[in-house]
Amino acid sequence: DTAVSQTPKYLVTQMGNDKSIKCEQNLGHDTMYWYKQDSKKFLKIMFSYNNKELIINETVPNRFSPKSPDKAHLNLHINSLELGDSAVYFCASSLDSSGTQYFGPGTRLLVL
Amino acid sequence: AQSVTQPDIHITVSEGASLELRCNYSYGATPYLFWYVQSPGQGLQLLLKYFSGDTLVQGIKGFEAEFKRSQSSFNLRKPSVHWSDAAEYFCAVGAPNYGQNFVFGPGTRLSVLP
Repeated sequence: DTAVSQTPKYLVTQMGNDKSIKCEQNLGHDTMYWYKQDSKKFLKIMFSYNNKELIINETVPNRFSPKSPDKAHLNLHINSLELGDSAVYFCASSLDSSGTQYFGPGTRLLVL
Repeated sequence: AQSVTQPDIHITVSEGASLELRCNYSYGATPYLFWYVQSPGQGLQLLLKYFSGDTLVQGIKGFEAEFKRSQSSFNLRKPSVHWSDAAEYFCAVGAPNYGQNFVFGPGTRLSVLP
């Protein structure tokens, strides 16, 4: 069974569109995260979400918004997509905010 | 805030040779330290972690890492590299309640020659 899953695996879209990426974890973890990996492989945390407490990286544009319908899901919604949003987005989860993070397979987003 | 450096962007070794990937961190207290591996087109897999205790940590796939407080380092080693080890390796540093404070290094790409 996949511990952390993301859909879709690939997403190609036009500038200006709105899109969502879904993340689900079946590990019973309390904390979930979204990371962005750019073309140079640099990983940067975007959000962490723990017990309904959302911590936002201040450098993330407000076009990005995480939504958590329940503890097992943390979806990423992106409004008005821009070319610079093209990247690989990884979801991760950990037992608590101090625990080891387990990563999903990534969603490769290409904005044309 | 923490920071992580991985001085080597790209390393090439021959299959069967030994490997050491360097990681240096900056943090005011004892950090939590991690090594992750990312195979091409794949997500990140945890190789090993250090929270406390024995400074030599064993991980999966025959990897080990040693925490050296005096050098602020957490270098990854493997005595004999296999072709399947070719991947991107990331060192990361965290702290209690890290959340936003979990920081990845820039990564080291490992190529393995037959």
